[in-house]
Amino acid sequence: GAVVSQHPSWVICKSGTSVKIECRSLDFQATTMFWYRQFPKQSLMLMATSNEGSKATYEQGVEKDKFLINHASLTLSTLTVTSAHPEDSSFYICSARVTDQPQHFGDGTRLSIL
Amino acid sequence: LAKTTQPISMDSYEGQEVNITCSHNNIATNDYITWYQQFPSQGPRFIIQGYKTKVTNEVASLFIPADRKSSTLSLPRVSLSDTAVYYCLVGDMGPIDSGYSTLTFGKGTMLLVSP
Repeated sequence: GAVVSQHPSWVICKSGTSVKIECRSLDFQATTMFWYRQFPKQSLMLMATSNEGSKATYEQGVEKDKFLINHASLTLSTLTVTSAHPEDSSFYICSARVTDQPQHFGDGTRLSIL
Repeated sequence: LAKTTQPISMDSYEGQEVNITCSHNNIATNDYITWYQQFPSQGPRFIIQGYKTKVTNEVASLFIPADRKSSTLSLPRVSLSDTAVYYCLVGDMGPIDSGYSTLTFGKGTMLLVSP
């Protein structure tokens, strides 16, 4: 149980385009979903926290107009990287949780901007 | 947020027991201790969670002393496939708007298991 699916697993796109990443909790309804970013050989950095039906809470230094988060249902959250540039290339990971339960993570999306 | 300190790396051999200790001196009363495993280019995988004393599941044990200022993840008889980064995190498990503290990842412990 507690499976979190992330799609796509890998995407390459040109600079200036927007990319959408989906995160789904497959077998549970998530109270909260989280988006992380991880650079090579570094730890995960929390970008934002979102609850279904409400605006996401972004961590300091994360541009909310660049990283748009939509949490439309208890099982789906999306992260859209708008006008992506090479410096946005990274490994993006989502997680989901139910109150009083640990977070469960997706397998990540490798984003490469050319 | 309670901060954690772990060894940067550990080496072991197949079949040995590995114990990874995490310090969390500022752990709060409502905080739980959770351990994750991460392989390259994958998301972290939940291993075990505990609040106090000892917790055991099919893959690991978690030892938490009475003062809860540290915890030890025990992996019995490791294999090559246990080579990964292990993260120790502490945080409240309650509702997001009522005390829940978003988990902060430290640097983790890189465990290398050799034949």
